[in-house]
Amino acid sequence: DTGVSQDPRHKITKRGQNVTFRCDPISEHNRLYWYRQTLGQGPEFLTYFQNEAQLEKSRLLSDRFSAERPKGSFSTLEIQRTEQGDSAMYLCASSLRGSGYEQYFGPGTRLTVT
Amino acid sequence: RKEVEQDPGPFNVPEGATVAFNCTYSNSASQSFFWYRQDCRKEPKLLMSVYSSGNEDGRFTAQLNRASQYISLLIRDSKLSDSATYLCVVAGDSSYKLIFGSGTRLLVRP
Repeated sequence: DTGVSQDPRHKITKRGQNVTFRCDPISEHNRLYWYRQTLGQGPEFLTYFQNEAQLEKSRLLSDRFSAERPKGSFSTLEIQRTEQGDSAMYLCASSLRGSGYEQYFGPGTRLTVT
Repeated sequence: RKEVEQDPGPFNVPEGATVAFNCTYSNSASQSFFWYRQDCRKEPKLLMSVYSSGNEDGRFTAQLNRASQYISLLIRDSKLSDSATYLCVVAGDSSYKLIFGSGTRLLVRP
């Protein structure tokens, strides 16, 4: 299966700890997106990359959040000093430039902060 | 006011029924529109794009009314496997980000 992959699928951490998630997009896709989804809500946009450039960040992405895509392939999302309010599903998506706005999502990383 | 609004449901229908979902969006500059399907604890999956002329894919029909900023999805002959949350999505106002509604939950019963 050559879809979007995310690792880990589940993460339980204690408040105050740092966590890092990884996303591997579909291989030829040059755009990569991060979203966050809480129970009963649709996904909310966090940030996106075109190749290695981070082109947009949501106001939801506080100073404790940082995302990178150093070689324009996989991406990492780090959350520092986690808070209980960070508990959510973190979804990664990718798309191909020139294919419009269609995005393909990975299975997500479910974060629980205790 | 949310940028994309949907009735959360749930819509509880028998197999074989026809069911319609509606969605409104607030940004008139939006350019692209989609319906995504999301199963419980799974990722959203693209169901179909929505065009002004309307489009149909098997039992699913989507329509867009730009003047009223309104999107609809019609499912005919509902199957048990259609049970899921349906997310209305808009995009394209100077950004590639997708803006999701909160979703409408559909339960199809035997």
